Amino acid sequence: AQTVTQSQPEMSVQEAETVTLSCTYDTSENNYYLFWYKQPPSRQMILVIRQEAYKQQNATENRFSVNFQKAAKSFSLKISDSQLGDTAMYFCALRGNFGNEKLTFGTGTRLTIIP
Amino acid sequence: EPEVTQTPSHQVTQMGQEVILRCVPISNHLYFYWYRQILGQKVEFLVSFYNNEISEKSEIFDDQFSVERPDGSNFTLKIRSTKLEDSAMYFCASSEAALNTEAFFGQGTRLTVV
Repeated sequence: AQTVTQSQPEMSVQEAETVTLSCTYDTSENNYYLFWYKQPPSRQMILVIRQEAYKQQNATENRFSVNFQKAAKSFSLKISDSQLGDTAMYFCALRGNFGNEKLTFGTGTRLTIIP
Repeated sequence: EPEVTQTPSHQVTQMGQEVILRCVPISNHLYFYWYRQILGQKVEFLVSFYNNEISEKSEIFDDQFSVERPDGSNFTLKIRSTKLEDSAMYFCASSEAALNTEAFFGQGTRLTVV
């Protein structure tokens, strides 16, 4: 079974600061995919960033980057120069290999950017 | 930009009634999913669908639930006899392939059972 744990239910940070959201996971598979999704008040799920487990290099997308530690099964999201529009729920998710393609989500972190 | 569309955005139904939630996945996608999010809780997998059949389903997806791709473009989730605990946000998602591609989510249907 796959599990995803997000230990920070809520976080807040001043606008323009950097914030890191934590995520740990467990899977018995050797190849898998990790994602961070953003859910604004509209409740739509928006992909922020993805990481393939077989890639050692950490993924980056503009102000968003991850710190992927495969041995520790850790996948944190760093948001640099935070903006008011970053206020949302952030979900970490894990997707397995063939035959296990569903996404398993964590419980989410509610991030508030303070003006 | 192509997107997954869901209708209706909000549906209110009486307990025991049947509901059908509709989704139009992105046109060249082959894998389809339904997820559920009870208010304030995490997103939970319900079912995945490929090649006109269910490829995986969760414990939540019991005999009250069914999925169908009736016409090659729509992907529907039917709940036969709704219960109060079925009240949730239901998300449809699609992906081009099983792996190495992201799942695109629709905007969700808020189902309220009264």
